[in-house]
Amino acid sequence: EDQVTQSPEALRLQEGESSSLNCSYTVSGLRGLFWYRQDPGKGPEFLFTLYSAGEEKEKERLKATLTKKESFLHITAPKPEDSATYLCAVRNDYKLSFGAGTTVTVRA
Amino acid sequence: NAGVTQTPKFQVLKTGQSMTLQCAQDMNHEYMSWYRQDPGMGLRLIHYSVGAGITDQGEVPNGYNVSRSTTEDFPLRLLSAAPSQTSVYFCASTEGAGKTGELFFGEGSRLTVL
Repeated sequence: EDQVTQSPEALRLQEGESSSLNCSYTVSGLRGLFWYRQDPGKGPEFLFTLYSAGEEKEKERLKATLTKKESFLHITAPKPEDSATYLCAVRNDYKLSFGAGTTVTVRA
Repeated sequence: NAGVTQTPKFQVLKTGQSMTLQCAQDMNHEYMSWYRQDPGMGLRLIHYSVGAGITDQGEVPNGYNVSRSTTEDFPLRLLSAAPSQTSVYFCASTEGAGKTGELFFGEGSRLTVL
């Protein structure tokens, strides 16, 4: 059974204080690792796809990286608008398995 | 484009009642799916469809039915609501089964079963 574990559950940052979120996974045949952002009361919004170890993707202050057992989402010099819950997921055939998420709060 | 539209946004049911959550997308997406989101448990897949006329079970299908008679619509039916089905439900779609990881989500339907 596919498992996705995210840590920490919550992260409070000062504006400009860079940090990283962790997503560890076990899956029988990885067909992609995906990061999403979810704002309160909204549906998740797709951010990145990673397929192979060593791959990196960037978008504004976010950078996602992938190893054989985990993925990291690095937030560089965050701003209050980066406050959200970040979800990672792994794909197996036509199904996605999500982690419980990391809630990031960035204070001005 | 409206994207993925879910109705209703909020619903309160009594135990044993039935209801249908509606989901429609206007992006001509072949793949559609339903998730439920509970605190501390993340999103869990209920049912999915890779195209009109084709549906399959996800991780937590018990107590739910789906059908896919058109490309646009993917309703989720609760047959006999139970308090354990209190949750936020999300419908999601994408171009095709090959893009399963890159989903477009609706805004959610918050269901409370008393």
